[in-house]
This record gives sequence, structure tokens and C-alpha cells, in this order.
Amino acid sequence: TQLLEQSPQFLSIQEGENLTVYCNSSSVFSSLQWYRQEPGEGPVLLVTVVTGGEVKKLKRLTFQFGDARKDSSLHITAAQPGDTGLYLCAGAQGPGNQFYFGTGTSLTVIP
Amino acid sequence: DAGVIQSPRHEVTEMGQEVTLRCKPISGHNSLFWYRQTMMRGLELLIYFNNNVPIDDSGMPEDRFSAKMPNASFSTLKIQPSEPRDSAVYFCASMVATNEKLFFGSGTQLSVL
Repeated sequence: TQLLEQSPQFLSIQEGENLTVYCNSSSVFSSLQWYRQEPGEGPVLLVTVVTGGEVKKLKRLTFQFGDARKDSSLHITAAQPGDTGLYLCAGAQGPGNQFYFGTGTSLTVIP
Repeated sequence: DAGVIQSPRHEVTEMGQEVTLRCKPISGHNSLFWYRQTMMRGLELLIYFNNNVPIDDSGMPEDRFSAKMPNASFSTLKIQPSEPRDSAVYFCASMVATNEKLFFGSGTQLSVL
């Protein structure tokens, strides 16, 4: 059972365009994280959001946690080729607050 | 800091053979996770240890899979016997429990022929 669904699954855009990736669930999470993974490597943490409605910015990336703590979005402004990668959301749940990952969004930014 | 270290990076084996994947977490981290990543199912949590004790192994696919953490600096994931459908990238990750920042290794690419 996949707790977190991401959309779109694949995204190919031109350099300079804006994009938004969505992470949705019917479950409530104590916190939610976004990771980026490059080929041949493990995911690397970008941000953690904890409070419903929270917005965090990391340079050109804006992360939002839904008010009900069930969903999140990642918005990238003026995408660059270096943003290319697999973006994964992960929600914390369970007795040890373990993280369950979403289905992933594969982003390609074309120069 | 060397980060989370996994070995081997690549493993090719034949169906029915035993496979052992190894992980050395970051020193001082007391939580360790094993994940499996495939195109079809994404990144799945297999098992989670806290202070070397397995807390949740509900993600382990079946009895052919087992994981141990004999001490704070070493963990293994064993598949016996292996099957072609076990082919995937297996990741180990660790964190300081109160920090909630997961650090991943580079993964083991397993191919079962």
C-alpha cells in the first residue's frame, strides 16, 4: 500500500520555466520531508516541514505543508538543468516516526 | 564524516543463492533503516532499528528476508534464497532519532538472474 502519491510522475520542462510537484495522502503525518535523488546515489534531504500550513523556502524552491498535514507541494521557480533529478516526499508515521516515501517525480530540465 | 557506507555497490547472483548486504551507519546515529527501491514500487521501507533493536519489520516482504544489527556500527540484510523479483536497489539510511534527518548510503544494486 502506497501511503503517499506524487504527481506528476514525470516532468520535462525548459530551463527558466516554473513547476509544481504534489504529494498527497489520506493519512496524517507528524512531519513531511522532501528529498532529491540523483542517478546512482541515495536521496538527499532538502527540507522538513512540521506545522500544518507551514511554508519554507530554499533559494528557488518553495515547500508547503497542507493545513491538515496530509499533503505537500514543491514549487521550483526558474528551473535550471541542475534541478534535474528524482524528487521524493516522505511522511513520518508509526511508533518510531519512521519515514514512508512517495512514488516520486522524475524532473528533467532541458537547457 | 564518511557518511553511511554500504557494500557491495553491485551484486549479481543466481536464483536460489544467499545474498548478504552490509551497512555501516554514521557514528552516533542510533536509528537505522533498510529501504528497497524499484521502478514499479518506488522506495519501500523494509525494516527499522532503534538502538540496535528492530522496531518495525512489517515491510519485510517474506521470510526469505532477514535483518540484523549486532552493534551500533553494523547491520546486515540477508535474502535466502534469492529470487529474480528481489532485483532492486537496496538502501540503508541512518539518523539521530531526535533529529529526523535521514542520511542515505549509495545503495546496493542487486540483480538476481
